Amino acid sequence: QKEVEQDPGPLSVPEGAIVSLNCTYSNSAFQYFMWYRQYSRKGPELLMYTYSSGNKEDGRFTAQVDKSSKYISLFIRDSQPSDSATYLCAMSATNSGYSTLTFGKGTMLLVSP
Amino acid sequence: EADIYQTPRYLVIGTGKKITLECSQTMGHDKMYWYQQDPGMELHLIHYSYGVNSTEKGDLSSESTVSRIRTEHFPLTLESARPSHTSQYLCASSETGRSHRETQYFGPGTRLLVL
Repeated sequence: QKEVEQDPGPLSVPEGAIVSLNCTYSNSAFQYFMWYRQYSRKGPELLMYTYSSGNKEDGRFTAQVDKSSKYISLFIRDSQPSDSATYLCAMSATNSGYSTLTFGKGTMLLVSP
Repeated sequence: EADIYQTPRYLVIGTGKKITLECSQTMGHDKMYWYQQDPGMELHLIHYSYGVNSTEKGDLSSESTVSRIRTEHFPLTLESARPSHTSQYLCASSETGRSHRETQYFGPGTRLLVL
């Protein structure tokens, strides 16, 4: 079993839809959770960062972490064609500051006008 | 926007050639990373560095080598390129000392094709 599981998609939605992207993980030591957005032929860019459990909102984006279920989500409200990209979840454990990130495979999102 | 740069962006090269992929960051970050990313697959960490003169191998075995002589510069070298090295290589950096926050900033990547 991989440490981080993420459905590769593609997920196709119409403009204006609410999008839900998810990852599950198996390592209970993970404490820090991130979502990256990667456009085609570009490097990933950090979208959201969450520590431990709870919700975090930033504009149209909401990140949710449920550590008891080992499940994280990214919600995108009022999705736009410019949101079409691959979304990667990433997470790390606390380890004296020398932790590295474990990534999911990424979910490709396509928002049609 | 993160100030991390990679050159070249695209490289097509023949088998057996020596190549160096460049990565530079102007943020003063102490930690730097190299990832390999194939289409539809996870990013795999192949090398990382916690500072000058520090280099470690990552989770994915790689025939490449790295060096960290200056804080801002983290080049990756393949002594003899093979078709199996064809992939996208992503460089990233982060800084420590902020409550163990591990936020990595990525460069645009180098797409390597070995014929």
